[in-house]
Amino acid sequence: QLQLQESGPGLVKPSETLSLTCTVSGGSISSSNYYWGWIRQPPGKGLEWIGSIDYSGSSHYNPSLKSRVTISVDTSKNQFSLKLSSVTAADTAVYYCARHFDAYNWIDPWGQGTLVTVSS
Amino acid sequence: DIQMTQSPSSLSASVGDRVTITCRASQSISNYLNWYQQRPGKAPKLLIYAASSVHRGVPSRFSGSGSGTDFTLTISSLQPEDFATYYCQQSYISPTFTFGPGTKVDFK
Repeated sequence: QLQLQESGPGLVKPSETLSLTCTVSGGSISSSNYYWGWIRQPPGKGLEWIGSIDYSGSSHYNPSLKSRVTISVDTSKNQFSLKLSSVTAADTAVYYCARHFDAYNWIDPWGQGTLVTVSS
Repeated sequence: DIQMTQSPSSLSASVGDRVTITCRASQSISNYLNWYQQRPGKAPKLLIYAASSVHRGVPSRFSGSGSGTDFTLTISSLQPEDFATYYCQQSYISPTFTFGPGTKVDFK
């Protein structure tokens, strides 16, 4: 059974870079027909897609965040990572990593999520 | 950009009720529409993909319909574990996607 687990600092200072890693277990990140994505949810609010990457490194980003986001993949470690630069309090959210299929982009499974707070 | 709306934003219902949630896209998205359930403090779970296909393991009381701009998620008989927030997701321009704002279903 495929599982995803987010890891990284839970507290980031304003103007710094948020860095998270998602470790995939129970399956290979190198499988075709899948994307590996990041989705966030501010406290009490809805879901926002941040961006996604496939095993070859082809990445796609939400236009509203594109200037600050970098997603990378490390197939040797079965991991993919998120970097979000110049963070502000508005970037405080639960960050989820997830797998989505390239056809209808239905998302399954999701990681459990990790809360990242931006505060000095 | 394709914008998604959901109605209602919240509803109160009782166990056994039939519940219908609507999702509308700002332009036609064919059947590139998925539905998720999110319980408090948990990650969302896939219910329906491609507008009407029920994900494996999802109870048969959940169903989806629609195409183009208007979509519906129906719970035929609400169970206690169904009190949650429901989100639609459009993925017309793969691999990008956007979510609707959510519909919270709580106890009447």
